[in-house]
Amino acid sequence: DAKTTQPPSMDCAEGRAANLPCNHSTISGNEYVYWYRQIHSQGPQYIIHGLKNNETNEMASLIITEDRKSSTLILPHATLRDTAVYYCIVSAGGSNYKLTFGKGTLLTVNP
Amino acid sequence: DAGVIQSPRHEVTEMGQEVTLRCKPISGHNSLFWYRQTMMRGLELLIYFNNNVPIDDSGMPEDRFSAKMPNASFSTLKIQPSEPRDSAVYFCASSLGWGGGATGELFFGEGSRLTVL
Repeated sequence: DAKTTQPPSMDCAEGRAANLPCNHSTISGNEYVYWYRQIHSQGPQYIIHGLKNNETNEMASLIITEDRKSSTLILPHATLRDTAVYYCIVSAGGSNYKLTFGKGTLLTVNP
Repeated sequence: DAGVIQSPRHEVTEMGQEVTLRCKPISGHNSLFWYRQTMMRGLELLIYFNNNVPIDDSGMPEDRFSAKMPNASFSTLKIQPSEPRDSAVYFCASSLGWGGGATGELFFGEGSRLTVL
């Protein structure tokens, strides 16, 4: 069963913010939200993760709604190199955690 | 650090042959994951190890697949005998695991592209 729902594709203009949504309405209290991306032919790359609070790092910002049923990944100034498939994953922590990837969102950044 | 190292990068073999894929995780990481990616099925988790011990192999498709981690710096994924439907990109990833400040970030290798004719 899919734990997350993402749009299959999105477009964004270069230099603009890219906002990628993710629904995870069945998320449990101990589950984190992770975001990864995969540029064509490469291995997936970690972007960011969070539990309840909004998070920001050098790559992106993660906004999690108060009820934790959805989140948005924000790339503040998208570049052509940000064209990739973006995966939203929910997973509990702990020693036996694992990440199950869905189909993700293909973000295309246009010049 | 060189990152997760996988070999071979490309492998072409004939149906029925044995295939061995290799992975060297990042030094100090205690969790290792094997994924398979195809257009039809996306990224599938095959198996993962914690401190060299297999924790969950429920994703291993069938008995033709086996994985080992004899020490903290090396893992293999073996397919014997191989079939055309095994053609895919196989990714290895490692992690510091969870706890002590680590929160499960996976570092992926560049993958091994397998073609079974």
